Parts: sequence; C-alpha cells; structure tokens
Amino acid sequence: AQSVSQHNHHVILSEAASLELGCNYSYGGTVNLFWYVQYPGQHLQLLLKYFSGDPLVKGIKGFEAEFIKSKFSFNLRKPSVQWSDTAEYFCAAGGSQGNLIFGKGTKLSVKP
Amino acid sequence: NAGVTQTPKFQVLKTGQSMTLQCAQDMNHEYMSWYRQDPGMGLRLIHYSVGAGITDQGEVPNGYNVSRSTTEDFPLRLLSAAPSQTSVYFCATARGTEAFFGQGTRLTVV
Repeated sequence: AQSVSQHNHHVILSEAASLELGCNYSYGGTVNLFWYVQYPGQHLQLLLKYFSGDPLVKGIKGFEAEFIKSKFSFNLRKPSVQWSDTAEYFCAAGGSQGNLIFGKGTKLSVKP
Repeated sequence: NAGVTQTPKFQVLKTGQSMTLQCAQDMNHEYMSWYRQDPGMGLRLIHYSVGAGITDQGEVPNGYNVSRSTTEDFPLRLLSAAPSQTSVYFCATARGTEAFFGQGTRLTVV
C-alpha cells in the first residue's frame, strides 16, 4: 500500500537551531516527492519537490531535502530556523497524475 | 490570474443538510482534486478528476459526490451532511505532478 510517514508530530526549537524533519514513503513505481508548508490559517504552499536527478533538492526560504532511495526517505532540513518558520509541514508522494499521498504532518514551533 | 478559487471560505451546516463546495481554476489544468484536512490526519484525497467528464474516487469518497462538466470547475457535493464531515476542504489542480491548492473551505456540521 502507498503511504507516507512523518516521524515527528510536534517539534519545538529555538531560533537559530537546525531542523530536520523525517519522511519515509512506500510507493510502487516512479515516485515524486514533495514538502509543503502550511502557515497558520493558510493553504498549503510548495516548499520543494524531487522528480529525478540530484537527490539534494533546494527549496524556498532556505529549506532543502535529500532523497535517499535506499532508505525510502526524503527528509527536510534547514540549518537555522526562524520564528517565522512556525508552521505545519507535510511530506507528500505522488505519481504521474498529481494524486498525492500526504503524511500526517509535523507541527514546528520556533521559540523566539 | 486567480489560480484556484474556493467558495465559500466558511460554512456551518446542520446534520442532514446538503451543500456544494465550489472550486474554480483559471490555469487550464486537466487534473483537479478535493482533499479534506483533519487534525493529526494530514490531507486525504476525496475525489479527483483527470479531465472534463472523468472523475474517480480517492481514499475517503463516502458521503461526497463530484462532477466535472468543464475544465475550470470541480464542485464537491455533500448530499446529507454528517458531523464526521466537519473538516477543512482543499481543492487542488495539478500540472504534471505539481499540485496547486486553493485557500480552503472550513466546514462545520452541527
């Protein structure tokens, strides 16, 4: 069965701390991977995506993610978080038609 | 260019009432979908469409109907609302594999 697992439900960090959010997927065939962010009261926005090629993907706002095929992982990282990064982060996997399977999300709270 | 527009933004329904959540896009994307977002559950796919006249069920289709008569519009119908349908609903379009989301409709069924 296709699924996406996010390891952490809620992460609390202080400003300037480094961030890594875990994501593992189970998906048959060619998979495309995404990280979305949802700021409080807003809709989902795309942070970054991986389709093929370089497994280290850079996104907006200083985020990056690394695709490790052997581990079925696509972890999100940021070297130094800011208070404005407080949001919920969703990992998603999809095929060729846009059907996305989402993880349950990780809430990030950054303390100023 | 408005992207993906959902109406209404907020709605309160009584159990048993029906309503339609509207979704319109101006990006000429063939693929459209509806998700519901519940706390701790992430987003779950309700129904999707790969083009006008073609719809299919997602992960949680029960209690919802859709139709796709035009490329631009993809309404979601609740025929008899239940409290379990209290949720935030997102419409999305996709170009290739990249999805674009609307602002969401917060629905409360009492």
